[in-house]
Parts: sequence; C-alpha cells; structure tokens
Amino acid sequence: DADVTQTPRNRITKTGKRIMLECSQTKGHDRMYWYRQDPGLGLRLIYYSFDVKDINKGEISDGYSVSRQAQAKFSLSLESAIPNQTALYFCATSEGGVGYQPQHFGDGTRLSIL
Amino acid sequence: AQKITQTQPGMFVQEKEAVTLDCTYDTSDPSYGLFWYKQPSSGEMIFLIYQGSYDQQNATEGRYSLNFQKARKSANLVISASQLGDSAMYFCAMREGGGGFKTIFGAGTRLFVKA
Repeated sequence: DADVTQTPRNRITKTGKRIMLECSQTKGHDRMYWYRQDPGLGLRLIYYSFDVKDINKGEISDGYSVSRQAQAKFSLSLESAIPNQTALYFCATSEGGVGYQPQHFGDGTRLSIL
Repeated sequence: AQKITQTQPGMFVQEKEAVTLDCTYDTSDPSYGLFWYKQPSSGEMIFLIYQGSYDQQNATEGRYSLNFQKARKSANLVISASQLGDSAMYFCAMREGGGGFKTIFGAGTRLFVKA
C-alpha cells in the first residue's frame, strides 16, 4: 500500500462545481503539503500544515481551501472550480524537526475543469 | 529571493552512458538543502538525492550523485550507467532556513534514454 494516498486519481468536472481532493498518509509525518503542477512551471505550493492546528498559505492559495482533519489526513477544496485550476495536484508529507527532510509524494490527482 | 533554474528542457543520453542534468540556484540564506526528484510518465514524484549546504562531500545514492559547487551555486545531478527506466522528468528543488517549510522547484528537465 502507498504511504501517501490521494483520491481521486483523476477527476473531470465543470466550472463552478465544488471539488474536494483527499490525502491520507501512513508515514506518521507531522507536515503535509498540497502542490499543483502545470507544464513548464514545476510544482507550486498551495497550502501546508505542520500539525492539525497549523494551516498556512503557500504561494498560490487563492481559490483553494484546506482542512487537516487528523495527523494523517489533509484535504484540498476548490470552492468554485475554474478552468485555469486544471492541473496535476500533489499531496506530500515530510518529517518535522531540525534539518532538511525530503518530501514524500502521493501519486497525484489529475484534475480537469471544463 | 529563492530561485531554481534548470536550463535543459530536454536531454538525450545513450543507454549505459552517464548524463549530467544541470541545476543552478539562488539564495541569500547560508543554510539550505537541495533535492532532486524523478517523475516518470506515470506521474508520481520520487525523491532521489539530497545535499545540505554545509555538507563537505558530494552526495551519492547508488547511480545518482550530486555535483555540488557552492561558489557557483550549482547542484547538478549525475546519473551513471543510464538505463531505459531513467527516462523521466527530473526536478531540482531547494529549501531554505534550517528545515523551513517552503521548497521551491525548478521547471524540470525531461531525460530520454536511447537503447
């Protein structure tokens, strides 16, 4: 089983719809992140959370919201989807503490908004 | 401000040969970490290798090594003995400030390994 699981893997929806992408992890990491990937732009950070009570905006948070329901669960919502939110979305986790821990990614959710 | 630059949108390499993927970075923070990730066509992101700014030696992980030149602010990934399964997108990334939250990614380099 994957350590970081994203659901759904693919989603096609219409403009204006509310969408939730879910992420769960079994790695026991405190830190969780949501990124989006667009061609030619690498990954950009949407939101991150260092623990259940800590939620922070990343560089492109407009149009998105998140919820950290438990240490292992971090969901991303698009309240009213628009076509330019079509992208590949990744959830990631990392250990906390001192030093530079690598991020561990889910397999991604491919989201298309028509 | 943080910045990661990968100047090679695409690279070709013959199977069993070595290849270097370039990465330059910009930061004013003396403490930072550098990472390389691989993204196969299936889409997942796989962590490959890490180099800390204070590390004296270049990082190595199996066939992967990181050519870290601090004065030039470069962190090139070297893949030795390329395999067909190495064909993928490769991203260089950096995090500043002692384990801080924000990791920035380069735009990536697509590597094609030829049989």
